[in-house]
Amino acid sequence: DTEVTQTPKHLVMGMTNKKSLKCEQHMGHRAMYWYKQKAKKPPELMFVYSYEKLSINESVPSRFSPECPNSSLLNLHLHALQPEDSALYLCASSQGLKGGAGNTEAFFGQGTRLTVV
Amino acid sequence: SQQGEEDPQALSIQEGENATMNCSYKTSINNLQWYRQNSGRGLVHLILIRSNEREKHSGRLRVTLDTSKKSSSLLITASRAADTASYFCATAILRGSTLGRLYFGRGTQLTVWP
Repeated sequence: DTEVTQTPKHLVMGMTNKKSLKCEQHMGHRAMYWYKQKAKKPPELMFVYSYEKLSINESVPSRFSPECPNSSLLNLHLHALQPEDSALYLCASSQGLKGGAGNTEAFFGQGTRLTVV
Repeated sequence: SQQGEEDPQALSIQEGENATMNCSYKTSINNLQWYRQNSGRGLVHLILIRSNEREKHSGRLRVTLDTSKKSSSLLITASRAADTASYFCATAILRGSTLGRLYFGRGTQLTVWP
């Protein structure tokens, strides 16, 4: 199984809502990532988990809160978002070899298309 | 910024022609990867080339890496309409403090006409 599964595929939320994005992989990967992608732009790294520990936070606003309950799951909790946070949110995983979680290819999910109204 | 810069930003060709995309970056890397993205969907990994490699092939794909010029190219031979997508290069950084970072370039939008 070489899939990264993201749910939901689409999400519309109000600025006062709380919602969560979910990501799951069963490839035994130990590095998991959240990226944000605006239309016609490259993916921008938000968070990296390495061996279930948050290793990189790219100065993401606190209204985005990541969580890694176990090595297969990655969540992104959303609260009090702004319309400008509307984007495609991509989860990815990689083998995460000791000495460099970026040393191997990343497998991406299909993304959650988020619209904040 | 370490982000790779792809060139050209858009490329339009006929089926059967070859497509070449270039990527430049700024600092030392551990490896460079190419990804493909169909509109509004996830990214698919195409090929990874390590900093000590100069050329790599995978099917109709050929990637070169010139670390002295900090540049890479992706060649797609005998293109097909199904190759229409955005192509991104991504650089993985060597330094320990940036473990796990993949920096994506702005991408090249390839359109292959039947």
